[in-house]
Amino acid sequence: DIQMTQFPSSLSASVGDRVTISCRASQSIDNFLSWYVQEPGEAPKLLIYSASTLQSGVPSRFSGSGSGTDFTLTISSLQPEDFATYYCQQSYSTRFTFGQGTKLEIK
Amino acid sequence: QLTLKESGPVLVKPTDTLTLTCTVSGFSLNDPRMGVSWIRQPPGKALEWLAHIFSSNEKSFSSSLQSRLSISRDTSRGQVVLTMTNMDPVDTATYFCARLKGSATYDSWYFDLWGRGTLVTVSS
Repeated sequence: DIQMTQFPSSLSASVGDRVTISCRASQSIDNFLSWYVQEPGEAPKLLIYSASTLQSGVPSRFSGSGSGTDFTLTISSLQPEDFATYYCQQSYSTRFTFGQGTKLEIK
Repeated sequence: QLTLKESGPVLVKPTDTLTLTCTVSGFSLNDPRMGVSWIRQPPGKALEWLAHIFSSNEKSFSSSLQSRLSISRDTSRGQVVLTMTNMDPVDTATYFCARLKGSATYDSWYFDLWGRGTLVTVSS
């Protein structure tokens, strides 16, 4: 199965900060990469698909980039509701796999 | 209304077989742009993809768990069923079902809808 590695595993930041989360695939996945956010006790929610396409309703402060094996999720100006856990996920292989998550915490 | 809802036992014993049902509404399991996966999350840990069933009825499974998993569907009822054999306490997790949607050109696929999840505890 394709392994997805996220870094950092945790990140402390302040409201208004710009943050970047990285995700690396163990092989090329073209742009078959999605990002999700999960709050405690909730199901994950789709933020971005095809590496850079914003899901409908997602604020424009979120953006994604990358292709092949290296991808990034950027939040341009952190809002209080953004402190949560973020996951990347590949759909290049039909054995879909997730990264181990990045927990974004308030500094 | 587009929804997925998981149902099944909250407690199973070690060595039991777990059967979970995902009931979908608002879309068809026969839609070629739709499929359903099962994904789990142990308490405090990461998401783990388990299995998927496509509109063609093709199936795929996590390599590490495929010997224990099966997935099936009843399109008339809008249900996708996951079974996992030989349950162990390490299988304690919240189990989610999620819809995999394809773009109109089939060049992107993503989990756009999720159920709320169901917590399954494995304990004697």
